[in-house]
Amino acid sequence: NAGVTQTPKFRILKIGQSMTLQCTQDMNHNYMYWYRQDPGMGLKLIYYSVGAGITDKGEVPNGYNVSRSTTEDFPLRLELAAPSQTSVYFCASGGGDRGRRAYEQYFGPGTRLTVT
Amino acid sequence: AQTVTQSQPEMSVQEAETVTLSCTYDTSESNYYLFWYKQPPSRQMILVIRQEAYKQQNATENRFSVNFQKAAKSFSLEISDSQLGDTAMYFCAHGDSGAGSYQLTFGKGTKLSVIP
Repeated sequence: NAGVTQTPKFRILKIGQSMTLQCTQDMNHNYMYWYRQDPGMGLKLIYYSVGAGITDKGEVPNGYNVSRSTTEDFPLRLELAAPSQTSVYFCASGGGDRGRRAYEQYFGPGTRLTVT
Repeated sequence: AQTVTQSQPEMSVQEAETVTLSCTYDTSESNYYLFWYKQPPSRQMILVIRQEAYKQQNATENRFSVNFQKAAKSFSLEISDSQLGDTAMYFCAHGDSGAGSYQLTFGKGTKLSVIP
């Protein structure tokens, strides 16, 4: 049981390039989330998904896109990378079921992205 | 929108001593969950402890305990017998069921250093 895995761990992009951050979970969780963490700040929600085929915007969605074709995978796409997207990106998954563990989220190791 | 405030950007504690990290939150909901996450230098987000708002009893997990004051919207973390491995960023988070998404709202974090 690997939990939540993210690739790559590090990436440097030039301004205007595009890339996809991969996220996979093997816990059969319905809910998945993408966060960004800027220096000295907490995590901010970019996008989330409540199940395969369903996605919705979080607090800071501009410049990003997501898709959820399977329960396991939730890739994050950056189009036309900008320096403001330099950050650490975390993917998380959660059961989202009614009950005490509904809000618990399990995080991947993060991707450090630098846009120059 | 929910907000989570951690008023202590940095704290330090002597090894084996006890330290308390503060967190306040704002919500209009009556039922919600609160969490403390630990982020060591490895960057991995690790769930430390959870509190269900409808439970009056404070949660405890080994050396970690919380002081949950629902009326004051306060949720502090106490770490007893501090160990060098406790050195990390600590994030307070509030669980919101808005639109069924089970989102987490994070504070900006407190950097804890345990001094030998």
